[in-house]
Amino acid sequence: RKEVEQDPGPFNVPEGATVAFNCTYSNSASQSFFWYRQDCRKEPKLLMSVYSSGNEDGRFTAQLNRASQYISLLIRDSKLSDSATYLCVVRGNTGKLIFGQGTTLQVKP
Amino acid sequence: DAGVIQSPRHEVTEMGQEVTLRCKPISGHNSLFWYRQTMMRGLELLIYFNNNVPIDDSGMPEDRFSAKMPNASFSTLKIQPSEPRDSAVYFCASSPLRDTEAFFGQGTRLTVV
Repeated sequence: RKEVEQDPGPFNVPEGATVAFNCTYSNSASQSFFWYRQDCRKEPKLLMSVYSSGNEDGRFTAQLNRASQYISLLIRDSKLSDSATYLCVVRGNTGKLIFGQGTTLQVKP
Repeated sequence: DAGVIQSPRHEVTEMGQEVTLRCKPISGHNSLFWYRQTMMRGLELLIYFNNNVPIDDSGMPEDRFSAKMPNASFSTLKIQPSEPRDSAVYFCASSPLRDTEAFFGQGTRLTVV
């Protein structure tokens, strides 16, 4: 079983749609959680950290459920520029940083 | 800050040759990671250093791969001998603390022919 699992998609949505990505992780001792974004042929970049109480950054909302070992990302009012691969990332108690396979989003006009 | 610096950006080499990839982490960062990315396998963690000490190398594919971090500002990933299946993008990343996000370099695109 992979340490971090995501639905690879692709998700094809129209502009303005709301889209949700989910992720599960296997190590219950994991301490920190993140969503990264990767554009084609570029390096991954931090989108947002994920906190236990849930957090929001503009159109983006992240949630963490430690009991279920589940992380989510919600994107509201999708823009063409949101088209990218979204990576769920978990950092364990040793500091090891593990990435999910990524979910591809394509926003269409 | 210049960010994480990797070199070379592109490398084309023949099977059997030695390849050395280089990384300069962000100054003051204590953790350094090497990843390999392919379409089939995604982003795989190869090795993780903390304070220049290798903490987890369970992702290193085989003995042909080795990584060093002689000081806080430099790390290398070496493949000897290289094989066509090693073709991938290799990323280096660093983070300031053990529970914070990591910042990535632009990657080295390796092609072994």
